[in-house]
Amino acid sequence: GIQVEQSPPDLILQEGANSTLRCNFSDSVNNLQWFHQNPWGQLINLFYIPSGTKQNGRLSATTVATERYSLLYISSSQTTDSGVYFCAVEREGGSEKLVFGKGTKLTVNP
Amino acid sequence: EAGVTQFPSHSVIEKGQTVTLRCDPISGHDNLYWYRRVMGKEIKFLLHFVKESKQDESGMPNNRFLAERTGGTYSTLKVQPAELEDSGVYFCASSYDRTYSPLHFGNGTRLTVT
Repeated sequence: GIQVEQSPPDLILQEGANSTLRCNFSDSVNNLQWFHQNPWGQLINLFYIPSGTKQNGRLSATTVATERYSLLYISSSQTTDSGVYFCAVEREGGSEKLVFGKGTKLTVNP
Repeated sequence: EAGVTQFPSHSVIEKGQTVTLRCDPISGHDNLYWYRRVMGKEIKFLLHFVKESKQDESGMPNNRFLAERTGGTYSTLKVQPAELEDSGVYFCASSYDRTYSPLHFGNGTRLTVT
């Protein structure tokens, strides 16, 4: 099956810093989504981004499908950004299910 | 609009007992998915409903797990009998379109089997 690798596995920042999270995948995809799992366990959909670039406030994401990676940018990080960020993909031509990476655990200190 | 709702939020049961988890998807979402995350591992797909039909149940671990979606509205996931390795967080998610729309997750049910 398709492999999804996220890096770094852990990231610690001071409030106000910027960061880039990476997601590499091993096959062509027709669906890629980024999720944030907050400290209470809720999984929040951040972006549906199989290709191109999107921005939502301090967050933006870019997927380069031809090179099989996606990046999530967090600018001016806040303590509420803490949690685990997951990348999930659906293989092109596969069944309609997302395969998740192991996540990047982000800690933003005040 | 109301989000995906799961009940209960937590469940602690003994090995051998039965537990039923419930999921109410976002209204109008025909696609309903169950995922789970066992301790320290990735979030893994369990199954996918389109309305009341099981589209893909390839992720169901074994026949102790039974999912239903009668009438194409809410769904239940029953574990009978529960084993220790079933402990984890069970997430339900729904989407409007199979592939080309965002997946919205519920808050999950944390299941502990002792």
